[in-house]
Amino acid sequence: DIQMTQSPSSLSASVGDRVTITCRASQGISNYLAWFQQRPGKAPKSLIYAASSLQSGVPSRFSGSGSGTDFTLTISSLQPEDFATYFCQQYSNYPFTFGGGSKVEIK
Amino acid sequence: EVQLVESGGGLVKPGESLRLSCTVSGFIFSSYRMNWVRQAPGKGLEWVSFISGRSNDIYYAESVKGRFTISRDNAKNSLYLQMSGLRVEDTGVYYCARDSFRRNPWSDFDYWGQGILVTVSS
Repeated sequence: DIQMTQSPSSLSASVGDRVTITCRASQGISNYLAWFQQRPGKAPKSLIYAASSLQSGVPSRFSGSGSGTDFTLTISSLQPEDFATYFCQQYSNYPFTFGGGSKVEIK
Repeated sequence: EVQLVESGGGLVKPGESLRLSCTVSGFIFSSYRMNWVRQAPGKGLEWVSFISGRSNDIYYAESVKGRFTISRDNAKNSLYLQMSGLRVEDTGVYYCARDSFRRNPWSDFDYWGQGILVTVSS
């Protein structure tokens, strides 16, 4: 199975900050990488697919990059509604695997 | 509007069975591959099972293989997860998630249901 490692597991930031979360795959997955946002008590919401493509309706402050084994999710200017947990997921190979999550908290 | 609504969760004892349903609307269900994903309390996401549009291709996580069965009824716009031999470690929120069909043989998950809680406890 492909292991997905996210860092940091948590971070504190202020509104307006630029935030970067990284995700590393244990083997190359091309660009078959998705990012999700999950607010407390809610279902995951798709943000990015194919490593860098923005899901319809997602604000442009979210962006993704990377290919192969190393990927990044960036929030250019953190908004109050962005405080949540973020997960990466590979869909290159079955079984599909998720990163452990990165919780973005208010500083 | 795409909607996925899970039902059938609840409290069961170890070894018992439970059947989850996911009823969808807002898209042509038979054209889309579907998944079940679960989340243990306070933990991360774990993919559970995948089914193709015509049920030709089915996959399971090793942790549930032989105990869980995924199925679908395209006429009823419904996805199912039959869970048997339930264990305490199966406790969590179960989500159905749609495969976006942007890529073959599988792709990213673009829409998720709100989730349903399954608790396995004696």
